[in-house]
Amino acid sequence: DTGVSQDPRHKITKRGQNVTFRCDPISEHNRLYWYRQTLGQGPEFLTYFQNEAQLEKSRLLSDRFSAERPKGSFSTLEIQRTEQGDSAMYLCASSIDGDQPQHFGDGTRLSIL
Amino acid sequence: QKEVEQNSGPLSVPEGAIASLNCTYSDRGSQSFFWYRQYSGKSPELIMSIYSNGDKEDGRFTAQLNKASQYVSLLIRDSQPSDSATYLCAVYSGGYNKLIFGAGTRLAVHP
Repeated sequence: DTGVSQDPRHKITKRGQNVTFRCDPISEHNRLYWYRQTLGQGPEFLTYFQNEAQLEKSRLLSDRFSAERPKGSFSTLEIQRTEQGDSAMYLCASSIDGDQPQHFGDGTRLSIL
Repeated sequence: QKEVEQNSGPLSVPEGAIASLNCTYSDRGSQSFFWYRQYSGKSPELIMSIYSNGDKEDGRFTAQLNKASQYVSLLIRDSQPSDSATYLCAVYSGGYNKLIFGAGTRLAVHP
């Protein structure tokens, strides 16, 4: 039973560059979530998908952020024109359905120079 | 008022003692509650879920839920140094669309 997989584990980039992260959920899970976590805080919700449909986006998700889940399988999160404040751990989670526990991947740590 | 509140700690307990971690939440409609453990630099790991009032036990862990008081707790019996981590309380909000996390309580178990 493979868990949630995220790639890359670490990303260092210069301010203003675009970055893209990938998440592969647990295979039978319909729901996929993205969160962002900064030091000393709990994860903050960014967006979630039910199969291929993106059903909710947080106010935290500015126009520079976009997420997709083509065919209801893996998902990508892209950040355009990165800023210093984007430095964080980006976490992906999946669940079988609503009200069920979410299982997290190892995360992608983004550092903006 | 934050939606999910936890004491940030650190909570320091001796090895073998019971560690008690507390969490309050603001949404009276919440029905699903979770505890995650997070080691430094790692991602959250699910350790307990609870949906009904009362206690739920799993090994050394017991989750307690009181919906009337909007209170969730986690007890860790026979605490071990390997239990030293940050414990995150999470509550489903917005119709099960997202988890709302507290900031976490840092637990330190000393030999």
